[in-house]
Amino acid sequence: EAGVTQSPTHLIKTRGQQATLRCSPISGHTSVYWYQQALGLGLQFLLWYDEGEERNRGNFPPRFSGRQFPNYSSELNVNALELEDSALYLCASSYLQGSYNEQFFGPGTRLTVL
Amino acid sequence: GNSVTQMEGPVTLSEEAFLTINCTYTATGYPSLFWYVQYPGEGLQLLLKATKADDKGSNKGFEATYRKETTSFHLEKGSVQVSDSAVYFCALSSGSARQLTFGSGTQLTVLP
Repeated sequence: EAGVTQSPTHLIKTRGQQATLRCSPISGHTSVYWYQQALGLGLQFLLWYDEGEERNRGNFPPRFSGRQFPNYSSELNVNALELEDSALYLCASSYLQGSYNEQFFGPGTRLTVL
Repeated sequence: GNSVTQMEGPVTLSEEAFLTINCTYTATGYPSLFWYVQYPGEGLQLLLKATKADDKGSNKGFEATYRKETTSFHLEKGSVQVSDSAVYFCALSSGSARQLTFGSGTQLTVLP
């Protein structure tokens, strides 16, 4: 069974540009989560999508946005890039069942903002 | 809100030493608890999990017991190997807030 995949592996942008990151969940998983892992800041929750809807977002400005497609894949968009957006962006997927929520992570996209 | 406090690193051990990484949490309701591991240059891998009080999660020689009375989920391994060198994250998921709340991570280095 294929795991969570993310593309691209690396992305280099300049300040003010827009970045688009993509994620394909494990087959059968309907939820996709995005996390930011910035140096020294640990792992912070960004966004959660389920069945095409945004269910929750973390404490990030509106220039961080995304969507989930009918095939459950997801896109994260970061507008007006700032230097501090440089980070590893991790996507995870899960299948909601009761109160148990095991998330499976992709390898991440390394975003560098120059 | 939810929070996870994790033992600060880095931790350096010799091969075959005993490992403990402390993790305590604050959560609403009855959280599920997880340990994830991140090897250099890679994403996160689920190491073990526990979904209710007194559950013991185990995998690859690692163990952690869900202690509701002390709100803890400490990670242990009896004999570490060089290949265990990685960053370890304690995390929880609680109630309708399905996202994971992570601790700050503990860098483990095992020397031969």
